[in-house]
Amino acid sequence: SAVISQKPSRDICQRGTSLTIQCQVDSQVTMMFWYRQQPGQSLTLIATANQGSEATYESGFVIDKFPISRPNLTFSTLTVSNMSPEDSSIYLCSAADGSNEQFFGPGTRLTVL
Amino acid sequence: GNSVTQMEGPVTLSEEAFLTINCTYTATGYPSLFWYVQYPGEGLQLLLKATKADDKGSNKGFEATYRKETTSFHLEKGSVQVSDSAVYFCALSRGGGYQKVTFGTGTKLQVIP
Repeated sequence: SAVISQKPSRDICQRGTSLTIQCQVDSQVTMMFWYRQQPGQSLTLIATANQGSEATYESGFVIDKFPISRPNLTFSTLTVSNMSPEDSSIYLCSAADGSNEQFFGPGTRLTVL
Repeated sequence: GNSVTQMEGPVTLSEEAFLTINCTYTATGYPSLFWYVQYPGEGLQLLLKATKADDKGSNKGFEATYRKETTSFHLEKGSVQVSDSAVYFCALSRGGGYQKVTFGTGTKLQVIP
């Protein structure tokens, strides 16, 4: 299994600013993913973070709004750009090691004022 | 496409009551099925999983059986505790941790003493 940490755990930001969320895995993993959980909602996949290449975005999410980096096999960042109150959510990182399972980080709770 | 439907909450039970949370899915082929739990203020934890028809996943007194004929994966526990209060998500993936996970909308369980 993999243990995942995220920073920051929570933040309150002003509209129009950007926030970068970091995700660290305690072992090398092939795939990393970023999800959004809006208040009272389920999880929605934003993108798959590919090591050494551009992230693969799901329908409705674009790189300009959610740029993602994956510099190595244990680390990824998600930036929420030009934030608005609608971006207030929990953002979760997950990692897959090839087993039938994904491991999730504790999440970053973002509030945009 | 893949989808997961689970019963709406919140579900309120007294301690030691029997719990059932219904989950049905739509997917091609033979997906892997999961139950995740999210305790208040925390990230997602894998509760149990099943990877093929008739498999029974179990953990912490919770059980779910992969029923391909009814495309269901209902979560059960014989005697709930206050500490089981959380949001429960049914989910599926096409197979292998590399595949994205499709989540249901979540069911909030509140157990009262």
